[in-house]
Amino acid sequence: GDQVEQSPSALSLHEGTDSALRCNFTTTMRSVQWFRQNSRGSLISLFYLASGTKENGRLKSAFDSKERRYSTLHIRDAQLEDSGTYFCAAAQQGTGSKLSFGKGAKLTVSP
Amino acid sequence: GGIITQTPKFLIGQEGQKLTLKCQQNFNHDTMYWYRQDSGKGLRLIYYSITENDLQKGDLSEGYDASREKKSSFSLTVTSAQKNEMAVFLCASSMDTEVFFGKGTRLTVV
Repeated sequence: GDQVEQSPSALSLHEGTDSALRCNFTTTMRSVQWFRQNSRGSLISLFYLASGTKENGRLKSAFDSKERRYSTLHIRDAQLEDSGTYFCAAAQQGTGSKLSFGKGAKLTVSP
Repeated sequence: GGIITQTPKFLIGQEGQKLTLKCQQNFNHDTMYWYRQDSGKGLRLIYYSITENDLQKGDLSEGYDASREKKSSFSLTVTSAQKNEMAVFLCASSMDTEVFFGKGTRLTVV
């Protein structure tokens, strides 16, 4: 079965609003990485976390350091250019950086 | 910084044809990966390689071969293209932490 469960699968926001995406893992993970895929299909790495939280501008990500079974991506003050598909991916303990991907979350930001 | 270059960007093949996709990275990363993405879906791992000449199967290796000719390059072969197959193949590399991706090869089989 799928090791990475991502929710929601689609999300519509108005400019200026906040939201969050979440990934649950069916087993303990070593690290998590969040990506945004643009309209051309390029996967852009947003965050890599082995624990704790990271913030970059209006984006903030957290990885549950205790159980290592979920991660979140918060989007603050959504802008039109945030539209795209967001993927989380996680690596199990003992597998190096071999990532298992969630199915993605399609975010649409409208004026 | 580094870059991952995938060639070709677009590949049109015929049913039954053997097709090869190439990937080069200049990060000097040890590990390289091939993922497949079907329209509207997540990525699935086909093959990966932790060092030159190493090869490890992923979840989707059937129907594919791979070759890690040298540290910087990793190629993927579709052994027999399936009619109406359409997918994007993404190459990636890492040094045991963050994974970086190339821009993909879009495959269409007619």
